[in-house]
This record gives sequence, structure tokens and C-alpha cells, in this order.
Amino acid sequence: AQTVTQSQPEMSVQEAETVTLSCTYDTSESDYYLFWYKQPPSRQMILVIRQEAYKQQNATENRFSVNFQKAAKSFSLKISDSQLGDAAMYFCAYRSAGTGNQFYFGTGTSLTVIP
Amino acid sequence: KAGVTQTPRYLIKTRGQQVTLSCSPISGHRSVSWYQQTPGQGLQFLFEYFSETQRNKGNFPGRFSGRQFSNSRSEMNVSTLELGDSALYLCASSFGQWGPQHFGDGTRLSIL
Repeated sequence: AQTVTQSQPEMSVQEAETVTLSCTYDTSESDYYLFWYKQPPSRQMILVIRQEAYKQQNATENRFSVNFQKAAKSFSLKISDSQLGDAAMYFCAYRSAGTGNQFYFGTGTSLTVIP
Repeated sequence: KAGVTQTPRYLIKTRGQQVTLSCSPISGHRSVSWYQQTPGQGLQFLFEYFSETQRNKGNFPGRFSGRQFSNSRSEMNVSTLELGDSALYLCASSFGQWGPQHFGDGTRLSIL
């Protein structure tokens, strides 16, 4: 079964600084999707960014970007110019592009933004 | 466009009872997934429905069941509730098979 590992239970960053959240995954498949979700204290999960495994170019969404290393099975999230509203729990997720393609989530990283 | 709607938001039950949770997906979304979120276990996949058919099932006992209706609305049922079933239950919908999931606010279930 696929597994997703987030080795940093908690992270903190100064406002306006940059922070990187780590995620590794284990799979034998070649075609899949990776996601970062954000869950603020209000608890609704929000999609931050998505990466297709067949694309070599790293996905970016405004201040959010990923470093996708397919061979290393690594998918880190970089948040630039951190804002107070970025404080949340961040989940890395994997979904196979094949059959039986359920989502697998990491255990999350709690990000604190220090004013 | 309305988001994913889960009802009720909060629920308190006692051991041995059963409960039904409801999820209305975003209009046009045909895939609905359910997750259990607890502080210790994180997000665990329960099951996924697509066009009224269960497509995937996680590693949960048979006390957890679900269904999806023709309008894509989904219900999740838990029978013979146990203390360990206390959790936030999240529903997520997506347009297609590989689309990103959009989550509801969840139902907080507490078992006394």
C-alpha cells in the first residue's frame, strides 16, 4: 500500500519569511497525483497545490510552490513571504492515477506563523 | 457555486447507538469520499462512491457503511457506536476520477 510521510509534526516561520514543509511517499506506480492541502483552525480542508507525476515542471500557485523529486519520491511545499493566514495544518496527499485510486494522506505538519 | 455541505455539524451519541451522517457534494461532482480524522491517526480513508457505486473502501469494520444517491448526495452510517468512533468525519467531492477533492466542514461526532 502507498504511504505518505510528513516527518515534521510542527514548524514555525517568521512572517514574511520562507518555509519548506517536507513530504515523502512510497509507491511502485509511475503515474499518480500529489497534493498539498491546508486545514486552518476553522477546519475546512482547502487544496493548496497539485502536481501530476508525469510533469517534470514543479507546480506553483502564487506564494506556494513545490519541489517534486520523482526519483527520490519527495514532494516538499515551499511557502514564500509567509502570512499570518498561512497558519494551519498542512497535509500532503497521494492519489494513484490507476484503479483503486483512493487518497492517502500524511499525518500533517502544523505551521505557526510568528508576527 | 455552493461548496460541500455536511450535516449535522455536531453530534453526540452514546455507545451502542447508530448514526447517519449526510454529505451533499458540489453540484456536478459525482465522486464522494469519506474520511475519519482523529488527533492520533490523522486522516483515514473510509470509502469512496462514484455514480452510486462504492469504488474504494478503506480498512474499517463493517459497522461503517455508506451509500450514494442518484443526485450524488451521500450518507455514511455507523452502527453499534464505540468510544473510539469519536472523531471528525470529513466528506470530500471531486468532479472526475482524478480531480482534486473539495472538503466539507465535517461532522464532529462525540460518543459518550
